[in-house]
Amino acid sequence: AQTVTQSQPEMSVQEAETVTLSCTYDTSESNYYLFWYKQPPSRQMILVIRQEAYKQQNATENRFSVNFQKAAKSFSLKISDSQLGDTAMYFCAFMRGGANSKLTFGKGITLSVRP
Amino acid sequence: DTEVTQTPKHLVMGMTNKKSLKCEQHMGHRAMYWYKQKAKKPPELMFVYSYEKLSINESVPSRFSPECPNSSLLNLHLHALQPEDSALYLCASRRAPRDTSNYGYTFGSGTRLTVV
Repeated sequence: AQTVTQSQPEMSVQEAETVTLSCTYDTSESNYYLFWYKQPPSRQMILVIRQEAYKQQNATENRFSVNFQKAAKSFSLKISDSQLGDTAMYFCAFMRGGANSKLTFGKGITLSVRP
Repeated sequence: DTEVTQTPKHLVMGMTNKKSLKCEQHMGHRAMYWYKQKAKKPPELMFVYSYEKLSINESVPSRFSPECPNSSLLNLHLHALQPEDSALYLCASRRAPRDTSNYGYTFGSGTRLTVV
């Protein structure tokens, strides 16, 4: 079974600064994907960034980037130039490759961006 | 169309009522999911439909009854719910059960259900 751990329940960052959200996971699978989802007060779960386990290069999407350390089973999210609209709950998630695979979520972290 | 649409957005129902939640997508996705989410918690998987057939039921009580009439539509029928069933119900879809891309799931905005 897979587990995803987000140990920080809350974080706060000043607008325009950089913040890093931590995530670790545990699995015996070799083929898997990792995701960060954002859930603002509007409730919709929005995919922020994704990483394939077989890729060594860290994924980036505009202001969002990950630090994927496969050996350490760590998958942190860095948000640069934080904006007020980044205020949301962020979930780290794991999905193994193959048929009928399920998303396993971490507990989430509430990020507040201060003006 | 790259959205998953859920209706209604809000629902208040009594414990003896029967109601249904609706989820629709027109992306050609063949895997669809129902999740339950309590406040400040991660979503919990309830049901998975693959090619319109129920493939996973995560031991959900029978007062929740899913239905997938066609490849674009997913319903969740509710009957004799309890106050503790109050939650945000999220629908999600994915290209296919065997999708090997890394696109993950597309989620709807959810239905906020309150059982009184």
